[in-house]
Amino acid sequence: AQKVTQAQTEISVVEKEDVTLDCVYETRDTTYYLFWYKQPPSGELVFLIRRNSFDEQNEISGRYSWNFQKSTSSFNFTITASQVVDSAVYFCALEEETSGSRLTFGEGTQLTVNP
Amino acid sequence: AAGVIQSPRHLIKEKRETATLKCYPIPRHDTVYWYQQGPGQDPQFLISFYEKMQSDKGSIPDRFSAQQFSDYHSELNMSSLELGDSALYFCASSLGGATGAFFGQGTRLTVV
Repeated sequence: AQKVTQAQTEISVVEKEDVTLDCVYETRDTTYYLFWYKQPPSGELVFLIRRNSFDEQNEISGRYSWNFQKSTSSFNFTITASQVVDSAVYFCALEEETSGSRLTFGEGTQLTVNP
Repeated sequence: AAGVIQSPRHLIKEKRETATLKCYPIPRHDTVYWYQQGPGQDPQFLISFYEKMQSDKGSIPDRFSAQQFSDYHSELNMSSLELGDSALYFCASSLGGATGAFFGQGTRLTVV
């Protein structure tokens, strides 16, 4: 069963628009960690954020913000005032306490920001 | 700050050949992970090592083997390569198996 679901395969926006990338996860663990990674066309995986299951506080980092809601098992990512350089594939990932430190990734969302 | 170093960055091999990918973790990191990312897919966990011992195993083919050496670097050995092995291979490292592994830039393997 898919443990991390990113329902949006592709999103296309115009520069300066706000965009939200959805992530829904599934786990039976009470302790777990959620991540977002950015993969630009060059291919590397860039760590954006880690959130543990006990910290539901939303976080803002510049134009990036994350909304973690345990009640709906969601960890959504919003980019405000998008820029062309934000174009990339974004992955949400889950690490469960009972599965060691391995990450289970969602299928990714391809974000294209057009000028 | 030092990051995870992978070599080579690109590798082209023929079917049935052997390939060795190397990973040098962030200094003082003792845990190494390997992931495989096929074209248009998400990264899939292969295997991990903690203090030179295999700590977890995912969907790694029997044709692949890996180890972590005394200096904590790791190598992924791939034999009898198949066209389907063409992928981006990532190494990641962390300290004490802690969460938030940091990824290297990946090795792009092309099997022809």
